[in-house]
Amino acid sequence: GEDVEQSLFLSVREGDSSVINCTYTDSSSTYLYWYKQEPGAGLQLLTYIFSNMDMKQDQRLTVLLNKKDKHLSLRIADTQTGDSAIYFCAERAGGSYIPTFGRGTSLIVHP
Amino acid sequence: SQTIHQWPATLVQPVGSPLSLECTVEGTSNPNLYWYRQAAGRGLQLLFYSVGIGQISSEVPQNLSASRPQDRQFILSSKKLLLSDSGFYLCAWSLSGQGSVLPQHFGDGTRLSIL
Repeated sequence: GEDVEQSLFLSVREGDSSVINCTYTDSSSTYLYWYKQEPGAGLQLLTYIFSNMDMKQDQRLTVLLNKKDKHLSLRIADTQTGDSAIYFCAERAGGSYIPTFGRGTSLIVHP
Repeated sequence: SQTIHQWPATLVQPVGSPLSLECTVEGTSNPNLYWYRQAAGRGLQLLFYSVGIGQISSEVPQNLSASRPQDRQFILSSKKLLLSDSGFYLCAWSLSGQGSVLPQHFGDGTRLSIL
């Protein structure tokens, strides 16, 4: 079955770039998503990418997709303390209603 | 624009009591609707999803049930809560149809504590 893996923690200094990595196993994955969850809140959709794309940029966020290695990354430029949260990677195969989520990466931004 | 409302935000219930959590979506028609539980380990467990009124799919056997009495209303219920039902419950919606991008959009969640 599908599996999505993420490292559990990432610590960065304020102002540096953060790179959160994700690997997935489903070769038929068509859509890949990044969500942000702040403490006590729901998941907020940050960005998504189609599997026929290599890169997508949206302000401070850059998503890179390596389809050969089934590797997805989210880069946050100029990381701020407000970026501290849990970041979830998710993938969904075309024709499926159900995405598969990773367990989330806790991003800690320190001064 | 579309919005999702989930309530209550927090709930403390004794073991054996009933449960009803509500979720409503505004600004769209015939959405796909989902209930998730997020345990302390952070992973999301899909409990139920619905692609239309009266159509409920259950992902895991459990003490909970779901209903969709109206197009944009999704209810999570239990007749008798167990300690293991404690957790953070999230409702989500996505546009209907399998051919679109279909990102899910989440509510603010309900923190359920069973005593």
